[in-house]
This record gives sequence, structure tokens and C-alpha cells, in this order.
Amino acid sequence: DTGVSQNPRHKITKRGQNVTFRCDPISEHNRLYWYRQTLGQGPEFLTYFQNEAQLEKSRLLSDRFSAERPKGSFSTLEIQRTEQGDSAMYLCASSLEAGSFFGQGTRLTVV
Amino acid sequence: GENVEQHPSTLSVQEGDSAVIKCTYSDSASNYFPWYKQELGKGPQLIIDIRSNVGEKKDQRIAVTLNKTAKHFSLHITETQPEDSAVYFCAASGKTSYDKVIFGPGTSLSVIP
Repeated sequence: DTGVSQNPRHKITKRGQNVTFRCDPISEHNRLYWYRQTLGQGPEFLTYFQNEAQLEKSRLLSDRFSAERPKGSFSTLEIQRTEQGDSAMYLCASSLEAGSFFGQGTRLTVV
Repeated sequence: GENVEQHPSTLSVQEGDSAVIKCTYSDSASNYFPWYKQELGKGPQLIIDIRSNVGEKKDQRIAVTLNKTAKHFSLHITETQPEDSAVYFCAASGKTSYDKVIFGPGTSLSVIP
């Protein structure tokens, strides 16, 4: 499978715990995006990388959130001190030219 | 920033009929407009896109139209099939197609056999 891969697919965590998600983009894609999607809504932009550089961060990305793409390949999204409002689907997408290709997402449930 | 609106929020059609979803955007600098299909439990799938220098684009049963003056764009699905049932998102992107994509709220399409 040469698509965008996200792990884990599902994560249940207790409030206050830290969680980390991983995204492996399509190998030749230099741009990588993180989005958050809540039930019944469209994906909301969080941040994006060109190679290893983080070029833009949304206001939605509070100081509890951090994303990295250390070698310009895979990326991680960490949420510290999770809150119930963080429960959502976290989507990763990658692109090279036109069009972003999305992974299956990581569904986070904070209990 | 960009804001994308989408109508209707839900749409039911009989198999074989056409379905039309309409979107508007606010930022006149946006020049790339992709459409995504999302099935339950899956990530959005790019199904067709259009750039601002093109008024219409067609791919088999799917067509998109763009009116830059009015800042409207639409998705047309002809000869609908049950497997077309999904949530459809329109989106807009500014400056280049590499920029972040701003999504509309989605349209849940049901195709009734």
C-alpha cells in the first residue's frame, strides 16, 4: 500500500494523559498536513510542513499540541494533558503538486 | 481567512438521478477547488478538482463547474449509484494548490436503490 499511513487507527486515553500519533506520507510527497475532524464537520486545518519545515500553524493548535517532521519524511502529532474536547479524528494528508491525499485517520477518544 | 459554505447538508436521490452540491467561498485569492468523498470510517478521498483558470471539468459521471466572479462552484454527479452514497466536501485553497485546504461542512448524499 503506497498511500498515506496513520497509526494508531484508534486511541482511547484518560484525560490528562499525553498521546502521540504518527503519519507516514506518500514517499515522494514533500508537503504534509494535519487536520482535525469532529463528527458531522469538515476537516479543520491544524498545521503543515514542507519537508522538515513547519510553515504554518492554526490557532486551533494550542500550546498542548506539537507536531514534528524531523527528517522530512514521517510526522508525529503530540497532544499533552489531553482534554475531553480533544476527542476527534486526526487526519494526515500529503501532497506533491495538486491535490492532497489523506490517510485513514486516528480516532482519539478522551475519557 | 477563507470561509467555504456548502449546500445542501443532506441530499437523497433515487438511483439513476443526478445530484448537485453547491459551494461558495469568500477569498477571491483562492484558485484551487478540490472535492472530496468520505465514506464512514475512512479518510477523505480526492475525487475531482478544478483550478480557477477553468470553468468546467468532467470525469466520467462527475463534473465540476466554477464561477469565479460569483465565487460559486458546484459538483454534479450523473446516473447516481448506491456506491455514491457518502459525505462530500468541497474545499478551497489559496495562492497555489500547495496551500492548506479549507473545507466546507459537507453534504451527506444518500442514493436510494
